[in-house]
Amino acid sequence: KAGVTQTPRYLIKTRGQQVTLSCSPISGHRSVSWYQQTPGQGLQFLFEYFSETQRNKGNFPGRFSGRQFSNSRSEMNVSTLELGDSALYLCASSLGVQGEQYFGPGTRLTVT
Amino acid sequence: GQNIDQPTEMTATEGAIVQINCTYQTSGFNGLFWYQQHAGEAPTFLSYNVLDGLEEKGRFSSFLSRSKGYSYLLLKELQMKDSASYLCAVRGSSGNTGKLIFGQGTTLQVKP
Repeated sequence: KAGVTQTPRYLIKTRGQQVTLSCSPISGHRSVSWYQQTPGQGLQFLFEYFSETQRNKGNFPGRFSGRQFSNSRSEMNVSTLELGDSALYLCASSLGVQGEQYFGPGTRLTVT
Repeated sequence: GQNIDQPTEMTATEGAIVQINCTYQTSGFNGLFWYQQHAGEAPTFLSYNVLDGLEEKGRFSSFLSRSKGYSYLLLKELQMKDSASYLCAVRGSSGNTGKLIFGQGTTLQVKP
């Protein structure tokens, strides 16, 4: 069974631009959660989607948004990029909202 | 508030046993995860404890005491490839079950 996939794997953007990251969960998994990982803050929860609905949102500004499609694939968008948004963005999928979460390889975003 | 504590760094010798502790204080609790993360890679699922007690999986075991807000990950017969960061994460309670709160991680260095 294929694991969680994320595209793109690496991205370089400039301040003020926007970016869209994609996550395809493990086949059959319906829950997708997004996390931001930085050396200083560690892994921080961004949001969680289940059946196309956002169930939870972390403490991030409104510039961070996401959505989930009917096939459970998810995207997250960051608008008006700031230097501090440089991070590894990870998505994790699980069968349901109580299941074990499995992480994708992440998207390394660099903002210059 | 939410607080998860782990030691920042640990060093152990190849072939030895090491115990990585994790203490938590969270507003809700619905299970505790341990992940392994090698540098530059995504976290890999190791274990998930919901009930008190010890869960064993080969060379890795995880223990949970909910009354004490305490867990540990036990690694036996250490190998060089076990050098990695080990992340403890608590799952939120009802309504927040898709949200994992992570500790800062413990960097384990295994020496020959």
